[in-house]
Amino acid sequence: EVQLVDSGGGSVQSGGSLTVSCAASGFAFGTSWMSWVRQAPGKGPEWVATIKPDGSEKYYVDSVKGRFAISRDNAKNSMFLQMNSLRIEDTAVYYCATGGIWGQGTMVTVSS
Amino acid sequence: DIQMTQSPSSVSASVGDRVTITCRASQGINTWLVWYQQKPGQAPKLLIYNASSLRSGVPSRFSGSGSGTDFTLTISSLQPEDFAIYYCQQANGLFGGGTKVDIK
Repeated sequence: EVQLVDSGGGSVQSGGSLTVSCAASGFAFGTSWMSWVRQAPGKGPEWVATIKPDGSEKYYVDSVKGRFAISRDNAKNSMFLQMNSLRIEDTAVYYCATGGIWGQGTMVTVSS
Repeated sequence: DIQMTQSPSSVSASVGDRVTITCRASQGINTWLVWYQQKPGQAPKLLIYNASSLRSGVPSRFSGSGSGTDFTLTISSLQPEDFAIYYCQQANGLFGGGTKVDIK
């Protein structure tokens, strides 16, 4: 079964750090561009970051540059988003995605 | 960053109506555009990729067109299950602001 499973969300104080993970199965993860997309409550989806299949290129939305880092482990069919210096406005459901395949999302709540 | 602008932000329509949604990119993106449908409590569902290719399993009443900076999503005959929010996205990039399709 083609599947992405997101995990690692939780509650953290402003300025804190958190890493969310994505486990892939059922498709050629090692040759797939992978992305993180987030959706704040009541808002539309927002692209956050994308990583090339071999990890050599990474792209970020301006609002997270210098604070978030996307990475992947093709041997383990996994992708990660390390989030530092978290802000209240980073509160959202975080989804990993590739093409038409999306994870179920993991909630990240940043409080003051 | 390339900005994506969708219009209208909302449209009221009846079952059987033809609905057209527009998406404009601030720079040319060839045909690197996808369209999603989102219903409450669900992740977005891919409808169209490469601007005009229908994803397998998506009803043929959905179609996409365009290249460069201007794109459209058309629903030829709106069905009850199509009432939702539609988003365009530059492939692996920014989303448009969304178009809510609701019942007139």
